[in-house]
Amino acid sequence: EVRLVESGGGLVEPGGSLRLSCAASGLTFSSYSMTWVRQAPGKGLEWVSSLSGDTTYIYYADSVKGRFTISRDNAKNSVYLQMNSLRGDDTAVYYCATDPAGGPDHWGQGTLVTVSS
Amino acid sequence: QSALTQPPSASGSPGQSVTISCTGTSSDVGAYNYVSWYQQHPGKAPNLMIYEVNKRPSGVPDRFSGSKSDNTASLTVSGLQAEDEADYYCSSFLGTHNIFGGGTKLTVL
Repeated sequence: EVRLVESGGGLVEPGGSLRLSCAASGLTFSSYSMTWVRQAPGKGLEWVSSLSGDTTYIYYADSVKGRFTISRDNAKNSVYLQMNSLRGDDTAVYYCATDPAGGPDHWGQGTLVTVSS
Repeated sequence: QSALTQPPSASGSPGQSVTISCTGTSSDVGAYNYVSWYQQHPGKAPNLMIYEVNKRPSGVPDRFSGSKSDNTASLTVSGLQAEDEADYYCSSFLGTHNIFGGGTKLTVL
């Protein structure tokens, strides 16, 4: 059974930084592209960033480009999202998901990021 | 890239069928057979219900079906049950990543 567990969320002031982690199990992790998707309170799903299994391909939404960095450690079966220069509109639940060509399939339970002073 | 367009709400009585549409463009829905649908109950993570337009992951009831015509994809839920009440999101591949629809709140009357 595939399991994804996010961690690292919390309360941060505007302009601050956070690093989210997502630990995967039950799959050959290095074979999977991974994606971060966020959901602001009461809003819909928004794609944030994706990273191929071998890190050859990395993509970011325009809303986070230059501020967020996605990375992975295949030896630790983990993917990360470094978030800098955080703004109020970054407040959301952040989900990691495995991402085959058809779109995200397995999702974690999410971690809440709140940007507020 | 704009989000895919979904109706904000849909409803049906138990046992009835309801169809939720998802309209994109020739660059996303119309370009790829990579449309997926997600069910999300309050406070929970999204759950994949349909992938590649009309395929069901194991464990998803066959009451859920998907289709696509040109730039519009559809999710049909047949034989509505109380537990089907949830938010539903469509998603389409865009060449490098997926985009999502705004979501449809399905109410079982």
